[in-house]
Amino acid sequence: DAGITQSPRYKITETGRQVTLMCHQTWSHSYMFWYRQDLGHGLRLIYYSAAADITDKGEVPDGYVVSRSKTENFPLTLESATRSQTSVYFCASRFSPHRVDEQYFGPGTRLTVT
Amino acid sequence: EDKVVQSPLSLVVHEGDTVTLNCSYEVTNFRSLLWYKQEKKAPTFLFMLTSSGIEKKSGRLSSILDKKELFSILNITATQTGDSAVYLCAVPHRDDKIIFGKGTRLHILP
Repeated sequence: DAGITQSPRYKITETGRQVTLMCHQTWSHSYMFWYRQDLGHGLRLIYYSAAADITDKGEVPDGYVVSRSKTENFPLTLESATRSQTSVYFCASRFSPHRVDEQYFGPGTRLTVT
Repeated sequence: EDKVVQSPLSLVVHEGDTVTLNCSYEVTNFRSLLWYKQEKKAPTFLFMLTSSGIEKKSGRLSSILDKKELFSILNITATQTGDSAVYLCAVPHRDDKIIFGKGTRLHILP
């Protein structure tokens, strides 16, 4: 499928479990991003990547790990899930660092940590 | 610290009303401001504003930027129930990362 996809779309997990959220884009965009969205906080950047094997922290990186071995994939791992990580997670990508109006979002993953 | 502040946080109006959503910002090396619409799914892009005083318009939606006073407004005229959504204001800052406001939740009553 063309575009940007996320999987799973919904996930329920228990506190302490490791969870990986997947993001895949077919545009060969260099830049990819992970955001979380919570009521009262808007969208907050967790991690971003400027290219394969280049990642950097965003605003709220604690408790998360990312990797980018291939341009098209940008998985986000919660090493030991906590209830505070219950959220909706959005992946996004764009081709250029400057064309911010061409940043596209995936459909989101709703994660519940019990 | 760079920040984007939106007001009001929520708004309920009747169909046909006109609404104005506000966004103020404090960002180093400002280059542009973005508006998105989010309807229970991923945000979708509405406008990008880079120059002060120039209005961007798409149908019943319009937006203007005031770089001197560091704010933008999004106007929606003749609102419809389909306009119900969260409207997000965002500004790219250092390293072209985008920071978002908390959004305005707009509900249009039929």
